[in-house]
Amino acid sequence: TQLLEQSPQFLSIQEGENLTVYCNSSSVFSSLQWYRQEPGEGPVLLVTVVTGGEVKKLKRLTFQFGDARKDSSLHITAAQPGDTGLYLCAGPDNYGQNFVFGPGTRLSVLP
Amino acid sequence: DAGVTQSPTHLIKTRGQQVTLRCSPKSGHDTVSWYQQALGQGPQFIFQYYEEEERQRGNFPDRFSGHQYPNYSSELNVNALLLGDSALYLCASSLERRGDFRVQYFGPGTRLTVL
Repeated sequence: TQLLEQSPQFLSIQEGENLTVYCNSSSVFSSLQWYRQEPGEGPVLLVTVVTGGEVKKLKRLTFQFGDARKDSSLHITAAQPGDTGLYLCAGPDNYGQNFVFGPGTRLSVLP
Repeated sequence: DAGVTQSPTHLIKTRGQQVTLRCSPKSGHDTVSWYQQALGQGPQFIFQYYEEEERQRGNFPDRFSGHQYPNYSSELNVNALLLGDSALYLCASSLERRGDFRVQYFGPGTRLTVL
């Protein structure tokens, strides 16, 4: 069974601080996705990383896929209150048809 | 271009009742997946429908069933509701394609409360 773990579970920081959240597994994933989910809404895809060691940047967000394709990280520079939400990582299941999700990191950025 | 829509937004039922949730996929999408998201957890895959058939199923009991219509819209039915079925039910649509680069678009979800 493929499982994804995320840490930390909760994170509360002040506006302007930097942060990193992690997604880890004992299984190899061919790709990983990161989503952000706001209260009362469904998850919104932020990025897909597909190559071991890959780094992708999306404005103040930097995503990295581990060399062994078992882990990924999301780094946010100069966090803003609009970054508040639940950050989920997900990877394709063994059948490649659907996704296994981690439990998420709940981020709160205080003004 | 409408995204994924779900109805109803909220629903309150009592134990033992049955419920039907509905999903309309994003325009042009032919595949619908359903997820259950319990409070404080990530989404858990229930099943996926493609070409009006259940193609893959997660670890959920037979009380959970579904349907896909020719227009690609889908329903999730849950029978004999339990307190533990209280959750946010998410529908995700995608376009059938091979490989891992599937992009799913999620609807806002239906919040089901079982009393």
